[in-house]
Amino acid sequence: GIQVEQSPPDLILQEGANSTLRCNFSDSVNNLQWFHQNPWGQLINLFYIPSGTKQNGRLSATTVATERYSLLYISSSQTTDSGVYFCAVMLNNDMRFGAGTRLTVKP
Amino acid sequence: GAGVSQSPSNKVTEKGKDVELRCDPISGHTALYWYRQSLGQGLEFLIYFQGNSAPDKSGLPSDRFSAERTGGSVSTLTIQRTQQEDSAVYLCASSLFQGRGYTFGSGTRLTVV
Repeated sequence: GIQVEQSPPDLILQEGANSTLRCNFSDSVNNLQWFHQNPWGQLINLFYIPSGTKQNGRLSATTVATERYSLLYISSSQTTDSGVYFCAVMLNNDMRFGAGTRLTVKP
Repeated sequence: GAGVSQSPSNKVTEKGKDVELRCDPISGHTALYWYRQSLGQGLEFLIYFQGNSAPDKSGLPSDRFSAERTGGSVSTLTIQRTQQEDSAVYLCASSLFQGRGYTFGSGTRLTVV
């Protein structure tokens, strides 16, 4: 099956700092999504981004499908950004998640 | 409904008992996934439903696990003869159609004692 690797596994930031999270995947995919799981366990869809670049406020994402990676940028981080960020890729019926990046933003 | 609804939100059961977990997807969403997430871990795929097609059951960990989706809407995940290793959060997600953005429910936290 598809292998999805996320890095770094853990990230600690001071409030206001910027960060880049990476997702590498092993095969061509039809779909890629970034999710944020908040400290209460709720998974929030951030981006549906099989290719190209999208921006939503302080967050943006870029997927380079031909090189099998995606990046999630967080600018001017806030304590509410804390949680786990998951990348999920899909090929046909198969949606697979990476192990996530656990982000802690300190005030 | 406005979002994906899962019930119960928490379930504590004794080892060996059967449990049923319910997922009510967003109205009109044809694709539905079940995942499970153990404490501090990533999401493990369990089963996928798409419209009236036969479900993809390739992620079910054993024959104690089964799932149904009635009328293309509500889905139930059944775990028979629960074991302690079944303790996890069980998450359901739905999508308008396969391959588009998925919306997750809040999950059912299952604890087997």
